[in-house]
Amino acid sequence: KAGVTQTPRYLIKTRGQQVTLSCSPISGHRSVSWYQQTPGQGLQFLFEYFSETQRNKGNFPGRFSGRQFSNSRSEMNVSTLELGDSALYLCASSSGGVGRANYGYTFGSGTRLTVV
Amino acid sequence: GDSVTQMEGPVTLSEEAFLTINCTYTATGYPSLFWYVQYPGEGLQLLLKATKADDKGSNKGFEATYRKETTSFHLEKGSVQVSDSAVYFCALMSTSYDKVIFGPGTSLSVIP
Repeated sequence: KAGVTQTPRYLIKTRGQQVTLSCSPISGHRSVSWYQQTPGQGLQFLFEYFSETQRNKGNFPGRFSGRQFSNSRSEMNVSTLELGDSALYLCASSSGGVGRANYGYTFGSGTRLTVV
Repeated sequence: GDSVTQMEGPVTLSEEAFLTINCTYTATGYPSLFWYVQYPGEGLQLLLKATKADDKGSNKGFEATYRKETTSFHLEKGSVQVSDSAVYFCALMSTSYDKVIFGPGTSLSVIP
C-alpha cells in the first residue's frame, strides 16, 4: 500500500511569509502527527490530529497550526515565518487507536523548509 | 516528564564490527519503546519495537531488549555493514499514548 506522502519536498520562503505543508497518511490511518526536526533541537512534537480534531499539541507558538480533512489528509501552516523555522517537517501516520502504541508510526520523507 | 537519552555520536565502525547504541528512558508506567532509523535525505523508518518489559525487538540483524529494571533499550547488531550508516533514534510512546518522544539520535558511519 502507498506510504505517507508529504508535499512539497522542498520549500524556500522569505521571513514574514506564511507556508502550508501537506501530508497524506496511509490509507485507513486516521491519525496524523507532525514533528519538526532541526540539528539543534532534534525531533520535536508539533501536534496530532485524529478524525479531524486536534488531539495533542506540543510547545510551539500559535504561528504553527494545522488541520485535518475528512479523508485524513492533514495540512500544517506556519505564519509569519522566522529564520529559526528552517527545518525538516515530518508527518507521521498511525491508526490512531490504542494499538498505535504497539505499532509505532510510519513517517513520510518530510518537507525541507528554508527561511531566508 | 517522559524523556529519552542516547549515547552521543558520531559513532564510526569498521565493517563487520559489533554495534551497541545505548538508550535509557524516563517515564511513568510501562511505555512502548522503539528504534527508528533515518537514512540521508529521508524520513524515519521504524526499525524495531518492544511493548512490555523483557520483550526483545529484532529486525534486519538489529536487536534491543526492554529492560524495566535499568530503564534501558540498547540497540545491538553483531556485524554492521556499510549500508547501516544512518542516524538511529530511540523513542518511547507514553502510557497515555499522546505522542512519541525521541532521543537526540546517534549518527553511525560504517567504513569498509
